[in-house]
Amino acid sequence: QTVVTQEASFSVSPGGTVTLTCGLSSGSVSTSYYPSWYQQTPGQAPRTLIHSTNTRSSGVPDRFSGSILGNKAALTITGAQADDESDYYCVLYMGSAWVFGGGTKLTVL
Amino acid sequence: EVQLVESGGGLVKPGGSLRLSCAASGFTFSDAWMSWVRQGPGKGLEWVGRIKSKGSGGTTDYAAPVKGRFTISRDDSKNTVHLQMNSLKIEDTAVYYCAWIVPATILHHWGQGTLVTVSS
Repeated sequence: QTVVTQEASFSVSPGGTVTLTCGLSSGSVSTSYYPSWYQQTPGQAPRTLIHSTNTRSSGVPDRFSGSILGNKAALTITGAQADDESDYYCVLYMGSAWVFGGGTKLTVL
Repeated sequence: EVQLVESGGGLVKPGGSLRLSCAASGFTFSDAWMSWVRQGPGKGLEWVGRIKSKGSGGTTDYAAPVKGRFTISRDDSKNTVHLQMNSLKIEDTAVYYCAWIVPATILHHWGQGTLVTVSS
């Protein structure tokens, strides 16, 4: 069974930079998995931030960027703001299914 | 503007059935691949299943926990995708979101979700 791994929680100072990662329990994440990143605040639907590794969705500020770092997909927030405090989920496309990571709770303080 | 509006959620007893609907607008629905994703209370996102466009065969795929119990269908004349849920279990309690898959690999646009509660 494929398990997608994310940090459970992360903290960043306002104005700081943070990188969240998305890995596989077995193997490396590559662009072939079309990694996507979603932001979700309590009670709201997920918002697509990044898809296909590094393509920002329409209206997403350029302080959000995606990449492959080593054997993981990564979401970097540069110049974090208070309203970036949210849950962040990655998902990998497995050909006929999608597998989500468990999510990272980001605190900005 | 793309809009996805889910409906049909509610309270159902274990072993019961429920049918969710997702009404789509703002894009050519008949060409769209659609998916359902759920989120249990206090939990993360979980992919449920996908239906391809009729032009791509209209086939479906499902996650292991729901295979054989859930069925996704579509009505292109009404721009609607359905999720028929049978033999419901307590662990199926979740907010269910529909999503438009663009182009074929990205769960890109999401609805606001509908809550399904399975409880006796």
